[in-house]
Amino acid sequence: NAGVMQNPRHLVRRRGQEARLRCSPMKGHSHVYWYRQLPEEGLKFMVYLQKENIIDESGMPKERFSAEFPKEGPSILRIQQVVRGDSAAYFCASSPMRTGNEKLFFGSGTQLSVL
Amino acid sequence: QKEVEQDPGPLSVPEGAIVSLNCTYSNSAFQYFMWYRQYSRKGPELLMYTYSSGNKEDGRFTAQVDKSSKYISLFIRDSQPSDSATYLCAMSDFGNEKLTFGTGTRLTIIP
Repeated sequence: NAGVMQNPRHLVRRRGQEARLRCSPMKGHSHVYWYRQLPEEGLKFMVYLQKENIIDESGMPKERFSAEFPKEGPSILRIQQVVRGDSAAYFCASSPMRTGNEKLFFGSGTQLSVL
Repeated sequence: QKEVEQDPGPLSVPEGAIVSLNCTYSNSAFQYFMWYRQYSRKGPELLMYTYSSGNKEDGRFTAQVDKSSKYISLFIRDSQPSDSATYLCAMSDFGNEKLTFGTGTRLTIIP
């Protein structure tokens, strides 16, 4: 059973470009969470999704950021018009149930670098 | 003031020593407490999960929660070089899926 798969592992974008980060949850997991880790900071919650639904997006910046988890395919975190401050590691986690902190598994992350 | 405070270290100890890692928090609604280990360029891996005040032991790891003091600890006995990593505390309140993390403590075990 493969773990949480994130790709790409590294993504380089110039200011103003779009970044698309993909996350395939573990088999049987229908709950996906995105976290951002800035240098010297802990992980910060961004958004929680179930298939076709955004459940909690209280940690998402109001502009330029969006997330989806379609019925088929991976979850996508999309950042439009990237700025240097978006440079960070973005981690996806999945769980099989809503209150699944004990069964929450993280991917290896996507390191976004904005030039 | 951050909701969760954690000394970032770095912390270096000799192999075989007992390691103590700590976090304090301010939100009394937090009910679930976790410790994650994160190796360089990897995602966090759950080490310990606790709900109530008291101690929970798993092999060389012991998690301790003191809700009255809003203080949690992770103890590592007989530390090994493979324990060298960043350790993150995390917590959440009842019915809330999102975790609030500490900044992490970078630990190095010296052979």
